[in-house]
Amino acid sequence: AQSVTQLDSHVSVSEGTPVLLRCNYSSSYSPSLFWYVQHPNKGLQLLLKYTSAATLVKGINGFEAEFKKSETSFHLTKPSAHMSDAAEYFCVVSNTGTASKLTFGTGTRLQVTL
Amino acid sequence: DGGITQSPKYLFRKEGQNVTLSCEQNLNHDAMYWYRQDPGQGLRLIYYSQIVNDFQKGDIAEGYSVSREKKESFPLTVTSAQKNPTAFYLCASKRGFEPEAFFGQGTRLTVV
Repeated sequence: AQSVTQLDSHVSVSEGTPVLLRCNYSSSYSPSLFWYVQHPNKGLQLLLKYTSAATLVKGINGFEAEFKKSETSFHLTKPSAHMSDAAEYFCVVSNTGTASKLTFGTGTRLQVTL
Repeated sequence: DGGITQSPKYLFRKEGQNVTLSCEQNLNHDAMYWYRQDPGQGLRLIYYSQIVNDFQKGDIAEGYSVSREKKESFPLTVTSAQKNPTAFYLCASKRGFEPEAFFGQGTRLTVV
C-alpha cells in the first residue's frame, strides 16, 4: 500500500521569498516520487521526479526537492517565488513496474502576493 | 506534437443521461488512466488500462465504464448510475516501465 500526505492545504508567500511545500509518503516498495503543478482548469504538468538516483532532484522553473528516506519526506522548495508560481501542487507516489499506479496527495494551493 | 488530447473541454449533461469523455494519445504509451478531481480531494483513480482490450477498476469505478479497443484511445462513459458526476476529469498515460505519467488538459463535466 502507498499513501501521500501533503501537510499544508494552502501556503501563502510574498514574491521573492522562499517556497516550501511539504510532503510525506508511505510505500511498501522503493518508491518513485513526483511533484506536479496544476494551473486553474488545466491538466497536470510534471515539475520533477525522484526515481532512486540522486536524492536532491532539480526540476523546471527553479524548483527542487530532496528525498529523505529516514524522514519519508519529499518536500518541494524554490529559493524565490514568482507570481507565475501561483497554482495547485500535487505530491505523488508510485510503485515501480508496468502495473504501477499513481497515488496523489490532496494538493497544496500556493498563493504568491506582491 | 505528441501528447494527450481530451475532448470536449466543457460538457454539460442532464440528469439520467450517459455521456462519453474522449481521451486520445499519440505518445505510443501502453498504459492509460482516468482520474476524477474534486476540490480538496486530490485525484482519485477511476479506471486504468495496461494493454489493449484490458482494463482494471480503480478506487471509484462505480457508475463509470471504459473501453480500450485501440492503444491510442481510452474513452470514459459516465453513466446515469453515477450519483454525483459533476467534476473535473483527467486522462493520463505512461510508457510501460517508466514511472511518470503525462496528463491531458481535462474535461469539466457539469450535470444540469
